[in-house]
Amino acid sequence: KQEVTQIPAALSVPEGENLVLNCSFTDSAIYNLQWFRQDPGKGLTSLLLIQSSQREQTSGRLNASLDKSSGRSTLYIAASQPGDSATYLCAVRPDDKIIFGKGTRLHILP
Amino acid sequence: SAVISQKPSRDICQRGTSLTIQCQVDSQVTMMFWYRQQPGQSLTLIATANQGSEATYESGFVIDKFPISRPNLTFSTLTVSNMSPEDSSIYLCSVSTRVSYEQYFGPGTRLTVT
Repeated sequence: KQEVTQIPAALSVPEGENLVLNCSFTDSAIYNLQWFRQDPGKGLTSLLLIQSSQREQTSGRLNASLDKSSGRSTLYIAASQPGDSATYLCAVRPDDKIIFGKGTRLHILP
Repeated sequence: SAVISQKPSRDICQRGTSLTIQCQVDSQVTMMFWYRQQPGQSLTLIATANQGSEATYESGFVIDKFPISRPNLTFSTLTVSNMSPEDSSIYLCSVSTRVSYEQYFGPGTRLTVT
């Protein structure tokens, strides 16, 4: 059974620092991996999608990597800003349905 | 990409009543899903809404409690029936494209049951 784990559960860093969020999954048989952002009480915003054949994707200050063989993905945020404060969710797609991790709650300190 | 709208955005309901949540997508999509997010928790899949046939429910969710309709490829409804305070959650509609299999989410419906 596929399980997705995100570490740490919560993280506070000063503004301007670079940071890395971690995601691990137990079964490498996935179609893709997706990173989302969720603001309190809101829906999810898709940040980056990495197909199983890809190693990384970049969008602005965000870079996500995928290592299927080790069952790991990282989300790198450069030059963090207070507006980056949110919960970041990792999800893998083994079939038609995606499986979520519990998320990392990120707080950027001004 | 897909743009998803949900109605209502929030509601406060009395125990024992029912609420129907609407989900509208700006393009035809094959796969449409309903999720629940209880306070402080991650997302739990309720069911896959199938166009023209009965929804496929996940373990722990039943049609009598969460009836779902999907009359076409752009619209679906989820009803939360005979509500109790334990149903207080954010309910999210989601779609996936068969091109990239990227998943998109609506803004959610925040339900409070008193």
